[in-house]
Amino acid sequence: EVQLVESGGGLVQPGESLRLSCTASGFTFSSFSMTWVRQAPGKGLEWISYISPSGSPKYYADSVKGRFAISRDNAKNSLYLHMDSLRADDTAVYYCARGRPSDPWGQGTLVTVSS
Amino acid sequence: DIQMTQSPSSLSASVGDRVTITCRASQGISNYLAWFQQKPGKVPKVLIYAASTLQSGVPSRFNGSGSGTDFTLTISSLQPEDVATYYCQKYNSAPWTFGQGTKVEIK
Repeated sequence: EVQLVESGGGLVQPGESLRLSCTASGFTFSSFSMTWVRQAPGKGLEWISYISPSGSPKYYADSVKGRFAISRDNAKNSLYLHMDSLRADDTAVYYCARGRPSDPWGQGTLVTVSS
Repeated sequence: DIQMTQSPSSLSASVGDRVTITCRASQGISNYLAWFQQKPGKVPKVLIYAASTLQSGVPSRFNGSGSGTDFTLTISSLQPEDVATYYCQKYNSAPWTFGQGTKVEIK
């Protein structure tokens, strides 16, 4: 069974950093591109980043460019999202998803940015 | 960047009704268009990809069509379990923009 499990979310103060992880199982992780998508409370879906199977190229939404960094470790079947300079409007559930288009998705991890 | 515009933003229909949701891209995206369903409190799942290809396990009452800039998701006979928010997404090139969503309710 294909499974994606996000972790690393939590409550942080504005300006702080956080790293999210997504652990994959049930498929050959190194063969698939991966994406991060977020959803602010009560809002729609926002695509934020993509990484190819090899790790390059990488793409970002303008809203996170320069602050967030996507990476992967194919040996560990893991995807990461390093988030710097967090702002209140980064508060959201963050999902990792496999492939192009994105399917399946993990259950998500909640990031709350608040003082 | 290419913008994705869905309409309507919400709709209410009776069980058995035919429901149509449209998605318009501000520039052509060929058939790189997916439709997602997000039920309340649940994770989104893909219904249709490549504009018209039904994902395995998705009921045949869901149909996608279109190419270029104009796309449609049709539910041929609305069922209670179809209550959800539906999103289109382009994935031809970054950014993989989502539409704003269409909330479907039962009348």
